[in-house]
This record gives sequence, structure tokens and C-alpha cells, in this order.
Amino acid sequence: AQKITQTQPGMFVQEKEAVTLDCTYDTSDPSYGLFWYKQPSSGEMIFLIYQGSYDQQNATEGRYSLNFQKARKSANLVISASQLGDSAMYFCAMREGTGFQKLVFGTGTRLLVSP
Amino acid sequence: EADIYQTPRYLVIGTGKKITLECSQTMGHDKMYWYQQDPGMELHLIHYSYGVNSTEKGDLSSESTVSRIRTEHFPLTLESARPSHTSQYLCASSGGDRGRQPQHFGDGTRLSIL
Repeated sequence: AQKITQTQPGMFVQEKEAVTLDCTYDTSDPSYGLFWYKQPSSGEMIFLIYQGSYDQQNATEGRYSLNFQKARKSANLVISASQLGDSAMYFCAMREGTGFQKLVFGTGTRLLVSP
Repeated sequence: EADIYQTPRYLVIGTGKKITLECSQTMGHDKMYWYQQDPGMELHLIHYSYGVNSTEKGDLSSESTVSRIRTEHFPLTLESARPSHTSQYLCASSGGDRGRQPQHFGDGTRLSIL
């Protein structure tokens, strides 16, 4: 079974609108962490936001927030007030356990922001 | 800004050549990783290291090898390149013990084997 599932191959949003990128995960470990990364066409991976399984509040970082629904095993990324520079691939990733920080990545969602 | 560097950024080379992809970080991170990524696809972990003289194979089988003689340096070597090795290779590092620390990535090496 896929550990990380991103069901949206591509998403379109207009500038200044909000967009939600979906991510569901599968783990039996009670301790885990979820990361979102942005990959522009230039290829580098840029860390956006982190949510720990024991965190009481949903993570926020500037225009990025994470809609964490533990019972549904979902960790959707919300980007508010989209900008043209947000056009990129977005990857959800999971770390299981508290030890070594090995990440498993989803297949990604390509976001295109139009003027 | 994370300080992790990969060279070369792009490499086009013929079949059968020996290749070394360089990765260095200046953050003193003990953990380092190599990922392979085909265009538009997910990242697959091919190697990782807990620290000096520690290397492990990742989830995706790879014909490449790695070494970790110094904390800051984690090169990846292909002894005899083949067209099937054409891909992007991303190096990352992370520190801390609590697992909240993100992996910091280099800009990647886009490798094309003719």
C-alpha cells in the first residue's frame, strides 16, 4: 500500500485565490511527521511546513497552513493568496518513528497559478 | 538558507564512464541522503548515512555507491554509467535528534547518459 497518496496530479488556481493540495498517509506508528516541499522547475526542493503527529495545533508558516485531520490520516496543504511564483510541484512526505529521519514521498501535485 | 552544495549541476556523458556526483554541506549535519528522481515523479531514497563511516542502502535499489569519510562530504559514484542511470540526483542533509528537523536539499544534479 502507498504510504503517501497525493491524488491530484495537477491543480489550477488564479492569482490571489487560496488552494488546497491533498495528502493522505498510511502508518501504524503513533509517532510520525509530515512534511511539505515545493519543487520549482529548476529542480531544488524547498521545505515549506512540518506537522508532528502529537502536535496539538495545525502548523502554519506564512501563507502556508496544514489542515491536519489525524483520524482521517490527511495532511492537506493550504496556500492562501496564491502568487505566480507558487507555480511548482508540491510533494508531501512522511517520516515514521522518532529515530532516523528517512522520508517517504508522494507522487506530487503540479500547481499552476494563472494571472 | 540551507548550505548544501551539489556539483555538477548538469552532466551529459557517454556510456561506460565512471561518474562521481559531489555533495557537501556546511551545517555540521550528521545525517545525509541521496535521492533519485525521474522527471515529474516522486523522490526515491537510494542511500543514506548516519554519520562518518556509516552508509546504508535506501528503498530503491541502485548500482551507485557512496562514501562518508568526512561529516560534510557525501559523494555518490557510478562505476560504469548506463542510459538507465539518466535521472536527477538530489542530495540532502538533516540534523537534530527529534525528527522535526526537515531535510535540506541541494539543487540536484541532472545526469544524462548517452
